[in-house]
Amino acid sequence: DIQMTQSPSTLSASVGDRVTITCRASQSVSGWLAWYQQKPGRAPKLLIYTASNLQSGVPSRFSGSGSGTEFTLTISSLQPDDFATYYCQQYNSYLLTFGGGTKVEIK
Amino acid sequence: VHLLESGGGLVQPGGSLRLSCAASGFIFTTYAMSWVRQAPGKGLEWVSGITGNGGSTYYADSVQGRFTISRDNSKNTLYLQMNSLRAEDTALYYCAKEMGITYDAFDIWGQGTMVTVSS
Repeated sequence: DIQMTQSPSTLSASVGDRVTITCRASQSVSGWLAWYQQKPGRAPKLLIYTASNLQSGVPSRFSGSGSGTEFTLTISSLQPDDFATYYCQQYNSYLLTFGGGTKVEIK
Repeated sequence: VHLLESGGGLVQPGGSLRLSCAASGFIFTTYAMSWVRQAPGKGLEWVSGITGNGGSTYYADSVQGRFTISRDNSKNTLYLQMNSLRAEDTALYYCAKEMGITYDAFDIWGQGTMVTVSS
């Protein structure tokens, strides 16, 4: 199975900060990587697919990059609505796997 | 586009439960579907997936041999039959639509149905 490792697990930041979350795969997943945002009591929401494609309706302050085994999610200017937990997910092949999550907290 | 799960509840260890997910607003047969679960306070875990025509199914190692995914494209409904349930299967189970006909990102999620395995 492909293991996905996110860092950091928790991130404290202020409104307006630039935030970067890293996701590493135990083997290459090419560009088959997605990022999700989850708020408490809510289902996850797709932000980015195929490593760098912004899902429709997602603000442009979110961006993704990377390929192979290392990927990043960047929030260019953190907004109050962005405090949430973020997950990466590889879909290079079944079995699909998620990273452990990164909780973005208010500093 | 909407997914609505049902069928969760409290079940004893070793018991069975069948989850359903009713889909609407898209051509159901065109897309692969999956079940993803989240134990209380934990992260997301992919459980099982099925291709658009139902011809191929896939399972996480943790549920292989105990869970069965299926779909009825005439009813726009996804199912998860869960047998030999264990305490560690306790979780909120989400139905999720994949973006393509086989393994892909999940662009639509249901609200989830809670499964609690306890005596």
